Amino acid sequence: AQSVSQHNHHVILSEAASLELGCNYSYGGTVNLFWYVQYPGQHLQLLLKYFSGDPLVKGIKGFEAEFIKSKFSFNLRKPSVQWSDTAEYFCAVGSDDYKLSFGAGTTVTVRA
Amino acid sequence: DAGVIQSPRHEVTEMGQEVTLRCKPISGHNSLFWYRQTMMRGLELLIYFNNNVPIDDSGMPEDRFSAKMPNASFSTLKIQPSEPRDSAVYFCASSLGYSYNEQFFGPGTRLTVL
Repeated sequence: AQSVSQHNHHVILSEAASLELGCNYSYGGTVNLFWYVQYPGQHLQLLLKYFSGDPLVKGIKGFEAEFIKSKFSFNLRKPSVQWSDTAEYFCAVGSDDYKLSFGAGTTVTVRA
Repeated sequence: DAGVIQSPRHEVTEMGQEVTLRCKPISGHNSLFWYRQTMMRGLELLIYFNNNVPIDDSGMPEDRFSAKMPNASFSTLKIQPSEPRDSAVYFCASSLGYSYNEQFFGPGTRLTVL
């Protein structure tokens, strides 16, 4: 079974700062990778996903992620955050069955 | 598209009572997932169904928890008897089968057991 590790539990930054959230997984086979976002009091929504092709994936709201197979990583980035990006971010990995394995989540607080 | 529908949105009950949470997946989706989210344990997968059949229930914490999917448009998660440590937000999600497809989450049910 795969496991997903998110390096940061809580990140605090100011508006316009750049954001990078780390995600590593442990699984040697073909994987499908996702980043979900959960705004305060809301349900999880998909930010972006990767399952083949260009390892640099662009998602909604200016987010992007890069799949580095050799490092088993799928880090999320945004060049300039806004106050509205305050949320919890989850990395998820799927392999050869139906389910996704989620990381523990990273809480991002953006100060105005 | 109505998305995944869950009811109730909030439930407050007393210890020992039976609790039933309901989920209606997106029409056409054939996989359904129940998750529990707490501050301490994060997001946990409880059980998932494919084509109405339970595939993996290894995440169900104990026998007090049970889930059913009698048809493609309805699923329930039941806790009997409920305990204070069951207090959490329970999410239902659905998808088009295999894990390369996005899971769509419902709004969740916030359960408080007193």
